Amino acid sequence: AQSVAQPEDQVNVAEGNPLTVKCTYSVSGNPYLFWYVQYPNRGLQFLLKYITGDNLVKGSYGFEAEFNKSQTSFHLKKPSALVSDSALYFCAVRDISPNQAGTALIFGKGTTLSVSS
Amino acid sequence: DSGVTQTPKHLITATGQRVTLRCSPRSGDLSVYWYQQSLDQGLQFLIQYYNGEERAKGNILERFSAQQFPDLHSELNLSSLELGDSALYFCASSHGTSGASSYEQYFGPGTRLTVT
Repeated sequence: AQSVAQPEDQVNVAEGNPLTVKCTYSVSGNPYLFWYVQYPNRGLQFLLKYITGDNLVKGSYGFEAEFNKSQTSFHLKKPSALVSDSALYFCAVRDISPNQAGTALIFGKGTTLSVSS
Repeated sequence: DSGVTQTPKHLITATGQRVTLRCSPRSGDLSVYWYQQSLDQGLQFLIQYYNGEERAKGNILERFSAQQFPDLHSELNLSSLELGDSALYFCASSHGTSGASSYEQYFGPGTRLTVT
């Protein structure tokens, strides 16, 4: 079965420092991977996706993610964190179960990113 | 603003009652997804509709049902409500159901359901 793991419930980083939010996945076949961000009392916002191609994917707000097939990881990164980046981050993989004809996403538990000034 | 709208924003109701949550997808999007977000279960896929037809089912209870209408808006019906149904219910939409246009889902602001 497909699954996504975000091993850290919370990541704390100082403003201006690089940040990494970790994600590992388990799928059969090629993964379609996504990162979403959720601000308080808001819906999820799409950040970036990996479907195929370059392992380094660039997304919104200066975020990027690196796809590593051998480590089955898709970590979210940003070179210099902002206080406004503080939010809940979700990694997701497209559900390609044999009984799923649709394009639903399987989400990780989420990681709270806290950026201090 | 994602372009996906959901009503109502908040809903408080009693156990045993029935409620309907409404979602309007982004203009041009044919797929609608419903997700439930709770503290203990996280974000879980419930059901997907594509152009009026059910496309995929996730962890949706039999007490819950959904439909997508000809104008593409969707409704999620929750009946015989229990305390454990209290959660944030999100609707998302995407353009298609295959190919690159299906991969990005755009989420509405959610409906917070509280069952007392």
